Amino acid sequence: QAQLQQSGPGLVTPSQTLTLTCAISGESVSSTSGAWNWIRQSPSRGLEWLGRTYYRSKWYTDYAVSVQSRITINPDTSKNQVSLQVNSVTPEDSAAYYCARDRGSREGAFDIWGQGTVVTVSS
Amino acid sequence: EIVLTQSPATLSLSPGERAILSCRASQSVSSNLAWYQQKPGQAPRLLIYDASNRATGIPARFSGSGSGTDFTLTISTLEPEDFAVYYCHQRSDWFLFTFGPGTKVDIK
Repeated sequence: QAQLQQSGPGLVTPSQTLTLTCAISGESVSSTSGAWNWIRQSPSRGLEWLGRTYYRSKWYTDYAVSVQSRITINPDTSKNQVSLQVNSVTPEDSAAYYCARDRGSREGAFDIWGQGTVVTVSS
Repeated sequence: EIVLTQSPATLSLSPGERAILSCRASQSVSSNLAWYQQKPGQAPRLLIYDASNRATGIPARFSGSGSGTDFTLTISTLEPEDFAVYYCHQRSDWFLFTFGPGTKVDIK
C-alpha cells in the first residue's frame, strides 16, 4: 500500500515561491498505473484540483487552467517524490495543500492522500 | 467547467438514522463520480468510486448510485463516526477535475 508524506513551509511571504514535496513510499513515482496529483482546499474555494504528473512511456503533466501560468509539478525519480511549485503567491493561495494518488484515468478516484500541509501567505 | 451542486448543505440526523446525500452535475459525467468523507484536520477519505463502487475497507452501510448528472450517497444507518463532511468529485473532464461544495452531516 503506497503512502504519501508531505513536507514544506507553513508560512510564505507574498510574491515569493511556494515549494511543497510529496515523498512516495510503497510505489514508484514512475509506476505506469499511478498518477500523482496536487489538490488544495480553502474556505473560499473549497477543494480545488491543481494538476497531475504521471509516466506512460514518457512523462505527462497537466494543470488546471486557473493556475497553469503559476504552478509547476515535477517528478523526482531519484528521490521517488513529486514537487509542487507555486510562483508569485498571494494571500489567495493560503490553503491546505494535499498530494493524492489516482490511477491516471477517468475511472477510479484519489485513493491515497498525503497528510496535508497548511500554508499561510502573509508578510 | 463541470459544476457540482450538493444538497442539502447540512443534514442534521441522529445515530441510527439513514442519510441520503445528493450531488448534481451541470452536465453528464457518466459514472465518473466519487465520494469522499472528511473530518476536521484530516485529508479526505475515499468512500465510493465510479459512482457505485465501495473503496477498500469502506463499510457496507455506505452506498452510491446514479449516472449522468444525478448521484446519491446513502448511509444506511449512521454510526457516531460518520458525522463529517462529504464531498462528491467528478472525473469526466480529464483536464479539470472538480469537487462539490460538500454536505455536512451533523448530530441532531
